[in-house]
Amino acid sequence: AQKITQTQPGMFVQEKEAVTLDCTYDTSDQSYGLFWYKQPSSGEMIFLIYQGSYDEQNATEGRYSLNFQKARKSANLVISASQLGDSAMYFCAMREGYTSGTYKYIFGTGTRLKVLA
Amino acid sequence: DGGITQSPKYLFRKEGQNVTLSCEQNLNHDAMYWYRQDPGQGLRLIYYSQIVNDFQKGDIAEGYSVSREKKESFPLTVTSAQKNPTAFYLCASKASTEGLGDGYTFGSGTRLTVV
Repeated sequence: AQKITQTQPGMFVQEKEAVTLDCTYDTSDQSYGLFWYKQPSSGEMIFLIYQGSYDEQNATEGRYSLNFQKARKSANLVISASQLGDSAMYFCAMREGYTSGTYKYIFGTGTRLKVLA
Repeated sequence: DGGITQSPKYLFRKEGQNVTLSCEQNLNHDAMYWYRQDPGQGLRLIYYSQIVNDFQKGDIAEGYSVSREKKESFPLTVTSAQKNPTAFYLCASKASTEGLGDGYTFGSGTRLTVV
């Protein structure tokens, strides 16, 4: 069965430092996609970054990068130069197979990040 | 600005009552989804709909019902059959024409509490 695992319930990082949030996945599909979302205290989920299973280069979006290690089935999120506004819950997600005309996604349990001033 | 509007933000339900959570989008997205979020459990899929007048059960559909009479609207009813409805509910949408790398657009959620 497909599964997303986030083993860090909570993390602290000093402002302006980099932090890595871990995500491992399990799938038998050859084609899949991995996503990271940010959930601030307001509750809305914000899409951050995407990595396709066939992408040879690690995805980057501004201060966010995805450290994709396919053989190890890991897709860690790296946030560089942390800011106080980065304090939030972060979810890793994987796109499942195509059924009933759409894709479905499974989510990890999340990591709560706190940036310290 | 386009987006997804969920209402109300907070909702209280008495035991045995049905309640309906609203989700409206003006993004012209085809697919809409309802997720439930519990502490420590991430998001779990309740129902999803690809087109008007059609929807499919997700992983935890028991005790919930939905309708999709308009493309813009996908309301979720939490029925009295749902034994543990207290949770945070998130609505999401996605355009069928978007690329595989495009994530969901989410609403800001409804927090339902049984009193």
